[in-house]
Amino acid sequence: EVQLVESGGGLVQPKGSLKLSCAASGFTFNTYAMNWVRQAPGKGLEWVARIRSKSNNYATYYADSVKDRFTISRDDSQSMLYLQMNNLKTEDTAMYYCVRAFFAYWGQGTLVTVSA
Amino acid sequence: EIVLTQSPALMAASPGEKVTITCSVSSSISSSNLHWYQQKSETSPKPWIYGTSNLASGVPVRFSGSGSGTSYSLTISSMEAEDAATYYCQQWSSYPFTFGSGTKLEIK
Repeated sequence: EVQLVESGGGLVQPKGSLKLSCAASGFTFNTYAMNWVRQAPGKGLEWVARIRSKSNNYATYYADSVKDRFTISRDDSQSMLYLQMNNLKTEDTAMYYCVRAFFAYWGQGTLVTVSA
Repeated sequence: EIVLTQSPALMAASPGEKVTITCSVSSSISSSNLHWYQQKSETSPKPWIYGTSNLASGVPVRFSGSGSGTSYSLTISSMEAEDAATYYCQQWSSYPFTFGSGTKLEIK
């Protein structure tokens, strides 16, 4: 059974940093691209970032809204996905979902609140 | 960036009624790159329709999808109470991947 379990969310002040983690299991993690998708309270879905597999040189892609502030990474040896978020803004407040490859599997999400 | 515009944003349908949600794409994309998700309150989105018209596992056959180029739609042939949810279209034709703003479907 595919499982994606996010952690690391919480309350952070504007301009602060936070690192989200996603523990993956139930599939061969190192062969799949992975994504982060977020959803602000009461709002729609926003794709945030994607990292491809080693065979695709771990290529990364970002939404313009987070480029140069967020960094997606992975540890294939631990089946872990990460999102390092720096210089956080109030508009980054959202539920952050870890999502496999082509969006067939989603985690339950971890809530990030950016507020003074 | 490819922009997806969904309509309507909110609608209500009676049991048994036919429902159609549309997704207009700002630039033509291959139909294999247009997908739909269902989300119910306080839960993660679920894949619903892949590649314009392919139902995800477990999706009732009263759902269907169609379209090409810049115009796509999701149709429910006969509304049921369990179909009340928010539906999102999405493209992964090019980066950044983008979602439509969502259509909230309520039961009358």
